[in-house]
Amino acid sequence: EAGVAQSPRYKIIEKRQSVAFWCNPISGHATLYWYQQILGQGPKLLIQFQNNGVVDDSQLPKDRFSAERLKGVDSTLKIQPAKLEDSAVYLCASSLRGLGQETQYFGPGTRLLVL
Amino acid sequence: SQKIEQNSEALNIQEGKTATLTCNYTNYSPAYLQWYRQDPGRGPVFLLLIRENEKEKRKERLKVTFDTTLKQSLFHITASQPADSATYLCALVRMDSSYKLIFGSGTRLLVRP
Repeated sequence: EAGVAQSPRYKIIEKRQSVAFWCNPISGHATLYWYQQILGQGPKLLIQFQNNGVVDDSQLPKDRFSAERLKGVDSTLKIQPAKLEDSAVYLCASSLRGLGQETQYFGPGTRLLVL
Repeated sequence: SQKIEQNSEALNIQEGKTATLTCNYTNYSPAYLQWYRQDPGRGPVFLLLIRENEKEKRKERLKVTFDTTLKQSLFHITASQPADSATYLCALVRMDSSYKLIFGSGTRLLVRP
């Protein structure tokens, strides 16, 4: 079974530029998550989708971050404009139905450096 | 808000010994608690889940305990190997509409050969 795919793996941008990340979850997984992991910290949930609907985006900085999952499969996360403090690893994860006892499967992440 | 604390200092042990990692939480009573392993440059990988009504869960050389009175979970690796060296993350499952995972900052384990 293929895992969660993410691209690009690395990105370096100047502050105030925009950037987009792509995620392809495990086939058949209804729930997709985007996390931000700052160096030395645990992942922090930014947004959770159930199929193509948003379940939780309470920690997404909506003035600069946006995400979509139009057909309930792939997802993109965008930052516009980027700030220095956005430097982090952006992890995508998926689970079968989004229930509490389920395993979340993580992709390798996209490492973003904002200069 | 919910807070999860894991020892920020790396745990350095000799191969063959038992590693014990601690996860303490406050301001919440999770129904589930999960443990993940994260290697450098990779995403977290699920290891074990324990429910609030379970005292202990085992999987091969791994053992997790869950004390809801102390608000603490312990993660043990017996007969540790250098390949067990990684960062171990504890996460509580917030039981609301989203079943959100709240992660601790992780503890780095180094197993010396």
